[in-house]
Amino acid sequence: NAGVMQNPRHLVRRRGQEARLRCSPVKGHSHVYWYRQLPEEGLKFMVYLQKENIIDESGMPKERFSAEFPKEGPSILRIQQVVRGDSAAYFCASSTTSVVYNEQFFGPGTRLTVL
Amino acid sequence: DAKTTQPPSMDCAEGRAANLPCNHSTISGNEYVYWYRQIHSQGPQYIIHGLKNNETNEMASLIITEDRKSSTLILPHATLRDTAVYYCIVRVGKTNAGKSTFGDGTTLTVKP
Repeated sequence: NAGVMQNPRHLVRRRGQEARLRCSPVKGHSHVYWYRQLPEEGLKFMVYLQKENIIDESGMPKERFSAEFPKEGPSILRIQQVVRGDSAAYFCASSTTSVVYNEQFFGPGTRLTVL
Repeated sequence: DAKTTQPPSMDCAEGRAANLPCNHSTISGNEYVYWYRQIHSQGPQYIIHGLKNNETNEMASLIITEDRKSSTLILPHATLRDTAVYYCIVRVGKTNAGKSTFGDGTTLTVKP
C-alpha cells in the first residue's frame, strides 16, 4: 500500500510566482490535512479538507493561500505571489473515516524555497 | 485541543530504554493521547496512541496515568535510528476532529 504522496519534493520559486503543492492521500482516505513547518520550528496546522469541502481553515493565512481537495485527483495547496517568508516544509497528512480514532499518516513533505 | 508539556531534550544510551514523558493535565475525557516522531525533517511518523489503558505495539509502549494527566512513551531498546523529535499530542478521537496541535516536542538523542 502506498502511503501519502507529495510532489514535488523540492520546489524553488522566485518572489511573486505561484507555488502549487500536491498531495495524494493514502488510498481510501477521504480526509486531508496540510501543515507548515518553518525552519527550526514545529509543525503548524493550516487546513483540513474532506472531498470537495474545506472543514477547518483556521491556520491558513487569509491572503494568497488556498487549498482544495476535488472529487477526483490530489489535494492542492496553492500559494500565489510567494514571498521569502513562505519558504518552509509543507506536510500533508491523511486519515480514514474511522469513528474510533484519528490516526493521521504524513507524507514526506514539499520543501519550498523562495528566492 | 489540550496543551501538552514535554522536556525539550533527552539523551539515551543505545540499547537502553528511552522514557519520554508528557504532561497533559487539562485533557478531556474524550481526548486520546497520540505520539509521533520526526526524524531529521522527514514527515512525522505515527508511533502509538491510547485513551485510558496502557498500549504496546511493535515500536513502543505507552503508559497513561490513572488520572490521564500524564503519559510516558517507552522505546524499550533504543537504537541510533531512534534519534528524532518526539511529539505528544492530545486530540478528540473522532475523525472529523481535524487538526493536530504540535508543540515543540522532545529531541531524543541516542548515543553509542
